[in-house]
Amino acid sequence: NAGVTQNPKFQVLKTGQSMTLQCAQDMNHNSMYWYRQDPGMGLRLIYYSASEGTTDKGEVPNGYNVSRLNKREFSLRLESAAPSQTSVYFCASTNPPGQGPTGELFFGEGSRLTVL
Amino acid sequence: AQSVTQPDIHITVSEGASLELRCNYSYGATPYLFWYVQSPGQGLQLLLKYFSGDTLVQGIKGFEAEFKRSQSSFNLRKPSVHWSDAAEYFCAVGDDKIIFGKGTRLHILP
Repeated sequence: NAGVTQNPKFQVLKTGQSMTLQCAQDMNHNSMYWYRQDPGMGLRLIYYSASEGTTDKGEVPNGYNVSRLNKREFSLRLESAAPSQTSVYFCASTNPPGQGPTGELFFGEGSRLTVL
Repeated sequence: AQSVTQPDIHITVSEGASLELRCNYSYGATPYLFWYVQSPGQGLQLLLKYFSGDTLVQGIKGFEAEFKRSQSSFNLRKPSVHWSDAAEYFCAVGDDKIIFGKGTRLHILP
């Protein structure tokens, strides 16, 4: 049981390059999330998907796009990377209260992205 | 609008002393509230959660939190801290959309 798997774990980009962060969960969760973590800023929600086929903006969506490919997979794309997007990115999944047994977010190990 | 405020960026307590970390939230409906802990270089671990019912919630590692609707607060407490509790603590709120506070870093004096 792998839980939440995200790739790549590390990536260095040049300004203007594009890339996609992949995330997959094997817990049959309905909801999936992308957060970024920066020192002193906590975790900020980029996008989330409450169920397969839906996506919604979070707190800091600018410069990002997402795709909920199926119930298991939720990808985050940077179309034109900027130095301000240097961060650690976390994917997470859960079943919200009333939709399953948890409510607890299960996190991937994180992806450290550096944009030069 | 949904928001979470953790007023204290850093807190230092002596080992064996009691601890209270503050969390205030803004949410339009009945809130679902969480406390997570992150040790240096590690991922986030759920300490406890509140969905409904008893407003005093017990969690792992001896932590508890109390939901006070009138104060829009969900403060985390521990009667006696251990050096291993040094970490960053995050309060979170939401149901479908879950957002986090900026965190409180806890330092323990020997």
